[in-house]
Amino acid sequence: DGGITQSPKYLFRKEGQNVTLSCEQNLNHDAMYWYRQDPGQGLRLIYYSQIVNDFQKGDIAEGYSVSREKKESFPLTVTSAQKNPTAFYLCASSTPGLVNNEQFFGPGTRLTVL
Amino acid sequence: DQQVKQNSPSLSVQEGRISILNCDYTNSMFDYFLWYKKYPAEGPTFLISISSIKDKNEDGRFTVFLNKSAKHLSLHIVPSQPGDSAVYFCAASANYGQNFVFGPGTRLSVLP
Repeated sequence: DGGITQSPKYLFRKEGQNVTLSCEQNLNHDAMYWYRQDPGQGLRLIYYSQIVNDFQKGDIAEGYSVSREKKESFPLTVTSAQKNPTAFYLCASSTPGLVNNEQFFGPGTRLTVL
Repeated sequence: DQQVKQNSPSLSVQEGRISILNCDYTNSMFDYFLWYKKYPAEGPTFLISISSIKDKNEDGRFTVFLNKSAKHLSLHIVPSQPGDSAVYFCAASANYGQNFVFGPGTRLSVLP
């Protein structure tokens, strides 16, 4: 089955620790995205990558880092510099030519920093 | 400043009736719009889209209307079903389907 996987579903970390969230897709999509969802704020774009080995900052990139070494994978690191890391993180992918140009989302990872 | 607004955080509708979810945007460069549906603890799933060259798009029970002069779009669900209960996000793109700006979402509850 094609899709996007994010693991783990729930993640707990102590304040001051870096943590990496996994995102893998087997849809052969070129572009991948990371969003965070906070109550009442919808989805805000953290980073995106249109192609392997290239990525761009989104609206709220501070305190986050990404890599795109493989087409299938777009891990997100939440660093200790991120002031409010507790949130629901969503990964998405898309590719030019899709009928509706929609993004396909993974199930999300809920990160709680204690 | 939010470029995409969904001013109703929640909406309750009786089963079988029409649900109307509204979305307003401020950026006149937006030319493509999507609606996503999201259940708790899951990723959003695509529902329906509309481009700025149209004013209406219909898919089964779902219809999206776009009023460019008012910078307003709405999603109509007819008839509403309990399984439609979810959070609905409006999303807009200024480059025809590249990066999207999402609204804050509206939680729809369809009551049996």
